[in-house]
Amino acid sequence: AQTVTQSQPEMSVQEAETVTLSCTYDTSESDYYLFWYKQPPSRQMILVIRQEAYKQQNATENRFSVNFQKAAKSFSLKISDSQLGDAAMYFCAYRSALGGFGNEKLTFGTGTRLTIIP
Amino acid sequence: DAGVTQSPTHLIKTRGQQVTLRCSPKSGHDTVSWYQQALGQGPQFIFQYYEEEERQRGNFPDRFSGHQFPNYSSELNVNALLLGDSALYLCASSLNREQPQHFGDGTRLSIL
Repeated sequence: AQTVTQSQPEMSVQEAETVTLSCTYDTSESDYYLFWYKQPPSRQMILVIRQEAYKQQNATENRFSVNFQKAAKSFSLKISDSQLGDAAMYFCAYRSALGGFGNEKLTFGTGTRLTIIP
Repeated sequence: DAGVTQSPTHLIKTRGQQVTLRCSPKSGHDTVSWYQQALGQGPQFIFQYYEEEERQRGNFPDRFSGHQFPNYSSELNVNALLLGDSALYLCASSLNREQPQHFGDGTRLSIL
């Protein structure tokens, strides 16, 4: 079974600065997807960024980028130019790319609460 | 374009009762997944429905059951409620394996 570990329960950053959230995972599979989701107090889980394991290039979405280290099974999220609206719980998630329909469950970490300091 | 909608928003039940939660997927999506998120935890996968059948199930007892209708909407049923069932229940939909799942706002279930 796959596991996802987020070792930072809470992080804080000054507005406009850069912060990195850590995530490690354990799997015996070679093909999979990794995601970062953001959950503000409104509760909706919002996709921030995703990475396909077969791609060596790190994914980037505007101010959000990842550092994907497949051999180390590490998948960190970097948020540049932090904004007040970035304050939320951030969850790292794993999904297998193998199998047929129905093998799409997401396995989540326990989350990191990010606080933005004005 | 409506996203994933869930109802009700909040629900209070007592131990031993039964509850039904509802989910309408994002327009065009045909696969629905349900997750349970206990306070302070990450979501845990309950099960997934595609073509009106349960395709994959997480480590949840048979008290948790579901259904998917021809219009792709879905229900989550929980029988014999326990205090430990208190959680946020999230529904997510997707179109195919290549696309990420989109989540609804969830239903907050409280068991007294």
